[in-house]
Amino acid sequence: EAGVAQSPRYKIIEKRQSVAFWCNPISGHATLYWYQQILGQGPKLLIQFQNNGVVDDSQLPKDRFSAERLKGVDSTLKIQPAKLEDSAVYLCASSFSHQETQYFGPGTRLLVL
Amino acid sequence: TQLLEQSPQFLSIQEGENLTVYCNSSSVFSSLQWYRQEPGEGPVLLVTVVTGGEVKKLKRLTFQFGDARKDSSLHITAAQTGDTGLYLCAVRIGGKLIFGQGTELSVKP
Repeated sequence: EAGVAQSPRYKIIEKRQSVAFWCNPISGHATLYWYQQILGQGPKLLIQFQNNGVVDDSQLPKDRFSAERLKGVDSTLKIQPAKLEDSAVYLCASSFSHQETQYFGPGTRLLVL
Repeated sequence: TQLLEQSPQFLSIQEGENLTVYCNSSSVFSSLQWYRQEPGEGPVLLVTVVTGGEVKKLKRLTFQFGDARKDSSLHITAAQTGDTGLYLCAVRIGGKLIFGQGTELSVKP
């Protein structure tokens, strides 16, 4: 069974530029999550989708971050404009339902200069 | 203030040594999870503990949930280089997973 796929794996941008990350969850998983993991910290949930609807985006900085899961399968997370403090690993995870085990992708490492 | 405090933050040991890492809180939880995150990868669930005082073993790893369900420990016997990684504890709050800051373990040959 294929795991959670993420791309790109690495991205370096200048501050004030925009960037987008893509996630393809495990087939059949209804719940999709985006986490931000700053160096030296544990992952922090940014947004949770159930199919194509948003369940929780309370920790998403909505002035610069946006995410969508239009067809209830893959998802994109966008940052516009990026700030230095956005440098982090962005992890996507999926689960069969919101109470089931979450499976994480390898993450996208973002460096904002 | 972190909901889950993990200690130590960093640990560097030689292969074959034993170690224990801790996950502490002042809150009571219905369950607690441990994950391992290898360099360049996402976290992988190792175990979920549910009952106060519960002990679970996974090969050389022993997990314990505190009697009051406020804390947990992970003990590794005879560490191997393959145990290197970030060990994270996490709890579910309102359907959301909340992680500690992790213990970075380096096992040297």
